[in-house]
Amino acid sequence: RKEVEQDPGPFNVPEGATVAFNCTYSNSASQSFFWYRQDCRKEPKLLMSVYSSGNEDGRFTAQLNRASQYISLLIRDSKLSDSATYLCVVNRGADNYGQNFVFGPGTRLSVLP
Amino acid sequence: EAQVTQNPRYLITVTGKKLTVTCSQNMNHEYMSWYRQDPGLGLRQIYYSMNVEVTDKGDVPEGYKVSRKEKRNFPLILESPSPNQTSLYFCASSSGLAAYNEQFFGPGTRLTVL
Repeated sequence: RKEVEQDPGPFNVPEGATVAFNCTYSNSASQSFFWYRQDCRKEPKLLMSVYSSGNEDGRFTAQLNRASQYISLLIRDSKLSDSATYLCVVNRGADNYGQNFVFGPGTRLSVLP
Repeated sequence: EAQVTQNPRYLITVTGKKLTVTCSQNMNHEYMSWYRQDPGLGLRQIYYSMNVEVTDKGDVPEGYKVSRKEKRNFPLILESPSPNQTSLYFCASSSGLAAYNEQFFGPGTRLTVL
């Protein structure tokens, strides 16, 4: 089993739609989780960290379910500019020190006019 | 402007010809790392450095070397490149070692080894 797995995609959705991505991780000791966004042929950029209680940043909501070892990202009111690949990232460390990240393969989103 | 730069951005080379990909950051970051990205596999860490003269292997270090003689620079060296090192390479830096310190990535280097 891969350490981090994501919905394979691609997701093709109309503007204004709500879309959700899931990510599962295998290391139950992991404590830190993130979503990165990567535009085609560009570098990844941090979208948001994922906190235990769940967190929201504008149209984006991240949730963590430790018992089931999955992370989700919800995008509401999709914009054309949301089209990108979304990377789920898990830190292997059993605490919040040290940057030993595992990246998922990514889920591609295309928002259509 | 705060940034991570990489050079070259594109490189086509032949098997066995030594090459170096440079990485430089102007944010005074302690932590730097190298990743490779291949279709379907995601980014995989090659090497990382927690500070000057401190480097360690990541998940896929075979065939690569790094050095960290100055805080701002972290070059990736391929002593004898092979076709299976054809990939998209990213350098990244971070201000600290806490897991929640954001990683800033360079623009990437697309390497083809014939």
